[in-house]
Amino acid sequence: TQLLEQSPQFLSIQEGENLTVYCNSSSVFSSLQWYRQEPGEGPVLLVTVVTGGEVKKLKRLTFQFGDARKDSSLHITAAQPGDTGLYLCAGARGSARQLTFGSGTQLTVLP
Amino acid sequence: EAGVVQSPRYKIIEKKQPVAFWCNPISGHNTLYWYLQNLGQGPELLIRYENEEAVDDSQLPKDRFSAERLKGVDSTLKIQPAELGDSAVYLCASSSGGEDTQYFGPGTRLTVL
Repeated sequence: TQLLEQSPQFLSIQEGENLTVYCNSSSVFSSLQWYRQEPGEGPVLLVTVVTGGEVKKLKRLTFQFGDARKDSSLHITAAQPGDTGLYLCAGARGSARQLTFGSGTQLTVLP
Repeated sequence: EAGVVQSPRYKIIEKKQPVAFWCNPISGHNTLYWYLQNLGQGPELLIRYENEEAVDDSQLPKDRFSAERLKGVDSTLKIQPAELGDSAVYLCASSSGGEDTQYFGPGTRLTVL
């Protein structure tokens, strides 16, 4: 049972389109991380958000932590084929050495 | 700096056979994690070590799974006997005491026939 639900589970879009991935929970987290995982590789950390309402930008990626620290979103502007991968959110209660991963969103960006 | 190393990368075995996975964490990282990841899903923690001590193994199926981290560096995860449902990717990750970022290895893809 995943405590963090991600939506959508699958997303296939054309290059240049915008998209948003959601990560929702009924639990409060002290911080939340977003990872991207490519086939045959382990997840790679993209960002950590800590404060409720926090917004972080990483080039074309915008991450937001919900005010109540129960949910988060990832918005990608002008998606590129290189953005293709499995996007995972992970919540921490206390230390980020105790992470609970979400169910994942498989993103495919078509050229 | 070398990343987390795992071997083998792929393993195919028949059910009821034993299997072992090896992980070498990033040098100096005292925290080591083993995760199980099913296809298209998020990783699920099996066990977490702080140095050589297993501090969280509540999700490790102890009837068939075992792990060790001798000398607080390399770690081995073993399954005996393997079942069909054990087919998955087994990920190892490590982190240092001073930061919370987990660095993942490429994983071992296990197929149980």
